[in-house]
Amino acid sequence: QKEVEQNSGPLSVPEGAIASLNCTYSDRGSQSFFWYRQYSGKSPELIMFIYSNGDKEDGRFTAQLNKASQYVSLLIRDSQPSDSATYLCAVAMNTGFQKLVFGTGTRLLVSP
Amino acid sequence: NAGVMQNPRHLVRRRGQEARLRCSPMKGHSHVYWYRQLPEEGLKFMVYLQKENIIDESGMPKERFSAEFPKEGPSILRIQQVVRGDSAAYFCASQPQRRTDTQYFGPGTRLTVL
Repeated sequence: QKEVEQNSGPLSVPEGAIASLNCTYSDRGSQSFFWYRQYSGKSPELIMFIYSNGDKEDGRFTAQLNKASQYVSLLIRDSQPSDSATYLCAVAMNTGFQKLVFGTGTRLLVSP
Repeated sequence: NAGVMQNPRHLVRRRGQEARLRCSPMKGHSHVYWYRQLPEEGLKFMVYLQKENIIDESGMPKERFSAEFPKEGPSILRIQQVVRGDSAAYFCASQPQRRTDTQYFGPGTRLTVL
């Protein structure tokens, strides 16, 4: 079992729709959870982090965490073509420093 | 405030040569992480360094790979006797202090081994 799992996609949504990206993790001791966006050929860019159960909103983005189910998600409202990218879920394991374990990413395609 | 800098951005090496990748963290950051991204794969942790110390190198291959972060100058990831399987994007990230929430990634070095 992979430590952090994501559906590779692509996830296709029309412009203006809500995109829902999901991630599961295996280590119950995980403390912090991150969503990064990566455009092709570019470096990862942090979108959001969350470490408490529930929702965290930042503009068009909402991160949701359910530690009991070991599940974290990212919702993108009013999706734009510029949101088309690969979204990486990352988990900081309970090791005393922030070693990030990444999923393989979900490719999102937003069509005009 | 300048971001994390990496050079070179692209590096081509023939099998058996050495590759040396450099990472200059953001100003005031003393913690550096190196990650490797193989084609069509996620990023994999390689090593975590502070100035003059390797804190965790559990993700580094046992042979041919080494990393340092000297008191002065950039962090360096060195790959000796490169093989085609080393072809990947290598990213470094810096962090101001332990236990903070954000790692800032550099633009990466794309290594191609011929």
